[in-house]
Amino acid sequence: DTGVSQNPRHKITKRGQNVTFRCDPISEHNRLYWYRQTLGQGPEFLTYFQNEAQLEKSRLLSDRFSAERPKGSFSTLEIQRTEQGDSAMYLCASSLAGRVYGYTFGSGTRLTVV
Amino acid sequence: AQKITQTQPGMFVQEKEAVTLDCTYDTSDQSYGLFWYKQPSSGEMIFLIYQGSYDEQNATEGRYSLNFQKARKSANLVISASQLGDSAMYFCAMREGAAGANNLFFGTGTRLTVIP
Repeated sequence: DTGVSQNPRHKITKRGQNVTFRCDPISEHNRLYWYRQTLGQGPEFLTYFQNEAQLEKSRLLSDRFSAERPKGSFSTLEIQRTEQGDSAMYLCASSLAGRVYGYTFGSGTRLTVV
Repeated sequence: AQKITQTQPGMFVQEKEAVTLDCTYDTSDQSYGLFWYKQPSSGEMIFLIYQGSYDEQNATEGRYSLNFQKARKSANLVISASQLGDSAMYFCAMREGAAGANNLFFGTGTRLTVIP
């Protein structure tokens, strides 16, 4: 197992376009998290899944954002009608419920909206 | 109020010297966990060290140690014998609640530069 994988690594899109990112967690991890990190800031929580159920969504997750984890394995994060303020690094992490620590992060997808 | 505060935007340290990165936290939970992550320019968040709120001893992992002062709500990271490869952003984070609970709250980070 090579850890948490995120694709693509970089995405440049025009304002108003839709984008989709993918995260493949560590296979035995049942929890999956999405974070957003803007320049000069720490990551901010967006949402998390336990298996296929989306259990929590941050107020940062506007109605233009949607996340899915259809079979409890990989997850996708879609942003519709992108805005320049969506430019950020989108980080995915996974963990095993019940473990005190062990959040493993992916390398992120850097989104630039032009 | 911010849950995690890192007051040092940037720090410099001479190679082979020790450095302390500050972190204070704010929570009313009795059970919580504190983490330090390293983020190189490539972007991935690398786990360094963990301290549980009920752990009586300070956590250590190789050259990393966490100076946990519960009454002061501080969880400073000490890096001993700094190496050039330690140059990166460092983030303090907190998980509130019992084990397996939800997301992490991060500070704004400290950029560490190791000088040869």
